[in-house]
Amino acid sequence: GAGVSQSPSNKVTEKGKDVELRCDPISGHTALYWYRQSLGQGLEFLIYFQGNSAPDKSGLPSDRFSAERTGGSVSTLTIQRTQQEDSAVYLCASSFRQGAGLAVGNTIYFGEGSWLTVV
Amino acid sequence: SQQGEEDPQALSIQEGENATMNCSYKTSINNLQWYRQNSGRGLVHLILIRSNEREKHSGRLRVTLDTSKKSSSLLITASRAADTASYFCATDGSLTGNQFYFGTGTSLTVIP
Repeated sequence: GAGVSQSPSNKVTEKGKDVELRCDPISGHTALYWYRQSLGQGLEFLIYFQGNSAPDKSGLPSDRFSAERTGGSVSTLTIQRTQQEDSAVYLCASSFRQGAGLAVGNTIYFGEGSWLTVV
Repeated sequence: SQQGEEDPQALSIQEGENATMNCSYKTSINNLQWYRQNSGRGLVHLILIRSNEREKHSGRLRVTLDTSKKSSSLLITASRAADTASYFCATDGSLTGNQFYFGTGTSLTVIP
């Protein structure tokens, strides 16, 4: 696609419900990133995919959070049993990376984010 | 943490003035990038500077990098009201370069 596409753009859910956030990266981009940003705060790294594998899951805040990527393209971030502190904008980004260990200096391109409000 | 830190947290200037924002980071990097964010939406890439570069220009933007001090600055010259946004630096600093670490951002307000 022309840019990184995220859906839904806005989601209001009740505490305790599960939510799925989707990211469709730029075509051909091998790397995909999920970040979380609370209101007025910086970006918090959640997880990184290279292809379909996730070499770095260190940012996932709890076991209620999981993510997968299929076909080296679309990724889904799932939050189970949502809590009010999960309310934030979830940003997805993608880039073309040649692989780990290379100083590729690639630009990462962001989607417009998914605003999640847990009430 | 390798997270970058921007300084100041907030900056308010008159239209036409120059705006300078600083970023400090903690570990060695491959490159440093500056991004802009309007109203909490997606970030837009502004400029990338590699670790072996010291200065880079793009239009009204000037970025410097001092790897000895682990710091970078973003200068916006002749600011416009439309430059009002939050600005973030991001470092590609892990050994495998598989993460981009973002700072907390500088909120810039340009008063018409």
